[in-house]
Amino acid sequence: EVQLVESGGGLVLPGESLRLSCAASGFTFSSYSMDWVRQAPGKGLEWVSYISSSGSTIYYADSVKGRFTISRDYAKSSLFLQMNSLRAEDTAVYYCVRDRNGLDVWGQGTTVTVSS
Amino acid sequence: QSVLTQPPSASGTPGQRVTISCSGSSSNIGSNYVCWYQQLPGTAPKLLIYSNYQRPSGVPDRFSGSKSGTSASLAISGLRSEDEADYYCAAWDDSLSGPIFGGGTKLTVL
Repeated sequence: EVQLVESGGGLVLPGESLRLSCAASGFTFSSYSMDWVRQAPGKGLEWVSYISSSGSTIYYADSVKGRFTISRDYAKSSLFLQMNSLRAEDTAVYYCVRDRNGLDVWGQGTTVTVSS
Repeated sequence: QSVLTQPPSASGTPGQRVTISCSGSSSNIGSNYVCWYQQLPGTAPKLLIYSNYQRPSGVPDRFSGSKSGTSASLAISGLRSEDEADYYCAAWDDSLSGPIFGGGTKLTVL
């Protein structure tokens, strides 16, 4: 079964850091581009970051550029999102998503809350 | 404010046909494929349509997509109660170098 399982979310203070992980299974991880997409409480979907299958191409939304870093570990079939200098507006459910012919497989999401 | 514009709400009765519009620009819908996602309450989004009109396996043919110029639409025929969900359009944006989403349309089955 194709599956993406996120972890690492939690409650942090403004300015702190958090690292999200996503474990992929059921497919050849190295063959797919991957994304992070987030959804603030009661709001719509917002794309956060993209990494190509080879890891050579990376993009970020302007709202997180310079603060977030996407990476992947092929040996562990895992995707990561290092989030630094977190702000209240980063509060959201973060989804790990497989990217081919659309965002075709989504994880269940992990919740990040930034609050003092 | 989303770059892709969708109506915030839509509704229909069981068996009806409903369409949801999505308006963009030359840097997104006008030059790239459109996807549609369905998000049932309390769940992760699900890919409904890709490449403007293609359906992933398992998606009923009641769902169809189309695109013309800088606009796209999702049509749902034979509306069912389980179709009640939020629907999002999305397209790659060449200016932003990333995918962008519409604000979402909440579909109510009356």
